[in-house]
Amino acid sequence: DQQVKQNSPSLSVQEGRISILNCDYTNSMFDYFLWYKKYPAEGPTFLISISSIKDKNEDGRFTVFLNKSAKHLSLHIVPSQPGDSAVYFCAARTSPSYGKLTFGQGTILTVHP
Amino acid sequence: GAGVSQSPSNKVTEKGKDVELRCDPISGHTALYWYRQRLGQGLEFLIYFQGNSAPDKSGLPSDRFSAERTGESVSTLTIQRTQQEDSAVYLCASSVGQGISYEQYFGPGTRLTVT
Repeated sequence: DQQVKQNSPSLSVQEGRISILNCDYTNSMFDYFLWYKKYPAEGPTFLISISSIKDKNEDGRFTVFLNKSAKHLSLHIVPSQPGDSAVYFCAARTSPSYGKLTFGQGTILTVHP
Repeated sequence: GAGVSQSPSNKVTEKGKDVELRCDPISGHTALYWYRQRLGQGLEFLIYFQGNSAPDKSGLPSDRFSAERTGESVSTLTIQRTQQEDSAVYLCASSVGQGISYEQYFGPGTRLTVT
């Protein structure tokens, strides 16, 4: 049972444009959501997070939006840069099991110069 | 400072053999996590340790899997009688604590191939 889904396996974007990565979840008990970025042969690195009490969190070029009623979150990258090319995972967790992250399958983002 | 390190980086083993994977967390991190990523899939939670509390083993897929942690340092993940479906990248992460906003820092992973 896939509780966190990233339905787009890949996304290709031109440099300077906006990248939008989507994530859907089914477990209404999730109260904290995270995005991780992963380069080949490296572990995932934390990018940005959002609590379920918010609907938006912004950090530089990265913004995460949360729509609880739709059980949907998205990551916007503006402007996209070639160095953003990586696999992006969304993840979620519930209180009090803070240690247990549930991940989506990942989306491969390619930003073309 | 040094990040999370894992060894070996690659391991090829024959079906039925036992394997041990090692994780060295960031110094001072009290929480340690193990995940695995099968080909084309997301990361799958296996187990986590927090200080002296009993570990959360709810993600271990079978009793062939076990993990130990020495104090707040090194952890080993042991897979007994390996099967081909155990082939995956095994990732370790650590965090300062276990609070809702504590970021997990991941190691590069161990790629396990069972032939």
